[in-house]
Amino acid sequence: AQSVTQLGSHVSVSEGALVLLRCNYSSSVPPYLFWYVQYPNQGLQLLLKYTSAATLVKGINGFEAEFKKSETSFHLTKPSAHMSDAAEYFCAVSVLYGNKLVFGAGTILRVKS
Amino acid sequence: DGGITQSPKYLFRKEGQNVTLSCEQNLNHDAMYWYRQDPGQGLRLIYYSQIVNDFQKGDIAEGYSVSREKKESFPLTVTSAQKNPTAFYLCASSIRRRDRYFYGYTFGSGTRLTVV
Repeated sequence: AQSVTQLGSHVSVSEGALVLLRCNYSSSVPPYLFWYVQYPNQGLQLLLKYTSAATLVKGINGFEAEFKKSETSFHLTKPSAHMSDAAEYFCAVSVLYGNKLVFGAGTILRVKS
Repeated sequence: DGGITQSPKYLFRKEGQNVTLSCEQNLNHDAMYWYRQDPGQGLRLIYYSQIVNDFQKGDIAEGYSVSREKKESFPLTVTSAQKNPTAFYLCASSIRRRDRYFYGYTFGSGTRLTVV
C-alpha cells in the first residue's frame, strides 16, 4: 500500500530564510506525488505535482520540489519565506491508474518576522 | 467560475442526530471524495465515487453514508452511529481517467461539524 511520511509536524523559519518541508513516500510502483497547502478553515490548494516527467517540479508561490527515487523523497522548498507562507502543508501520493490520494499527516509552517 | 461548493460552512449536531453535508461541483468531474480531517492526523478517506450510482468505502466509512444520484452532487450523512463526529470535512473531485495520468483533486472549502 502507498503511504507518505512528513517529517516534522511543525516547522518554524524566519522571514527570508529557506523553507524545507520533508516528505518520504512508500510505493511499490511508480508514484505520482503532490503537495497541497491549507490555510485555516479552508480547503486544500494544489501547490505542485510530480507525474514522472521532470524530477524538479516548480509550483505556485515560488515553491518547488525534487523527486528523488533513490531516497524515496519529495521535499518541498522555497528559497525565501514570506509571512503569507504560514499554513499547513500536505504531501500526498497516488499510484498509476489510482485516481485516489493518500495524504501525510501535514506540516504546519510558522514564519517569524 | 467552476468549483466545488460545500455547505454549510459550520454545522452543529446534537447527540443522536443524523446530519447531511452538501457537496456540489460544476467542474464536470466524474470522481468525488469525502475526507475527514482531525488535527495531526492528516486527511482520512471516508467514501469515494468514481461514477454516478456507484461508491466505495474508504478507510473510515463506519458511521457515515453517501449517495451519488447526480454527477454534480455527493452528499455525506453523518449518522448517530458515528461516535466521534466532531471534525473538519472536506469534499474533493477529480477527472477520472483510464490512462496513467492523474491530475489530483480539486477541494471544496470544507464543513466544520461540532457535536453539542
